[in-house]
Amino acid sequence: DTAVSQTPKYLVTQMGNDKSIKCEQNLGHDTMYWYKQDSKKFLKIMFSYNNKELIINETVPNRFSPKSPDKAHLNLHINSLELGDSAVYFCASSQDYGNQPQHFGDGTRLSIL
Amino acid sequence: EDQVTQSPEALRLQEGESSSLNCSYTVSGLRGLFWYRQDPGKGPEFLFTLYSAGEEKEKERLKATLTKKESFLHITAPKPEDSATYLCAVQAYETSGSRLTFGEGTQLTVNP
Repeated sequence: DTAVSQTPKYLVTQMGNDKSIKCEQNLGHDTMYWYKQDSKKFLKIMFSYNNKELIINETVPNRFSPKSPDKAHLNLHINSLELGDSAVYFCASSQDYGNQPQHFGDGTRLSIL
Repeated sequence: EDQVTQSPEALRLQEGESSSLNCSYTVSGLRGLFWYRQDPGKGPEFLFTLYSAGEEKEKERLKATLTKKESFLHITAPKPEDSATYLCAVQAYETSGSRLTFGEGTQLTVNP
């Protein structure tokens, strides 16, 4: 029944490791996003895909690589994790890349030891 | 560059004590202004979209209004279950895709 679901909810790992976060939406939306929320609760966009095509790519280290196997899924792979990557990562989706509201998952809390 | 500033950072109210949250924005051309509610450990939950100055939207005890420079979220007779962080975000015509620029939020606590 969940509209936008992310896995895992928590991710604790060592510096230097590679990890992935998965996101799926069952709303039939065409556009999906990744946001990062830092310790100050400030949400900032990282990437956006529309129908599997990358349309927003903010100034994010190239250690972060999004992958969209189909329009219902947008995964985030992170290489060589650093301490500064610790944050909550949110996936979202919207009907299209116009001004329709974006619907968010419950986030993945990434902690780097 | 699009900017969103929310005030106050935190607000404590007694149950039934009405108040307003402010969202000031600077954007080249406003495509939409969005209000979200975020509970601890959860993702932002969509509340309203406002598209043009003068527009108002209501949902239960919440009412959102929009001018050319700011938006207000009015909370009438709040209840403890209204406690959450309220986020404001803008979308501009000139930015690519449908990027949202968020403010830092107002953390609302309603005491019984």
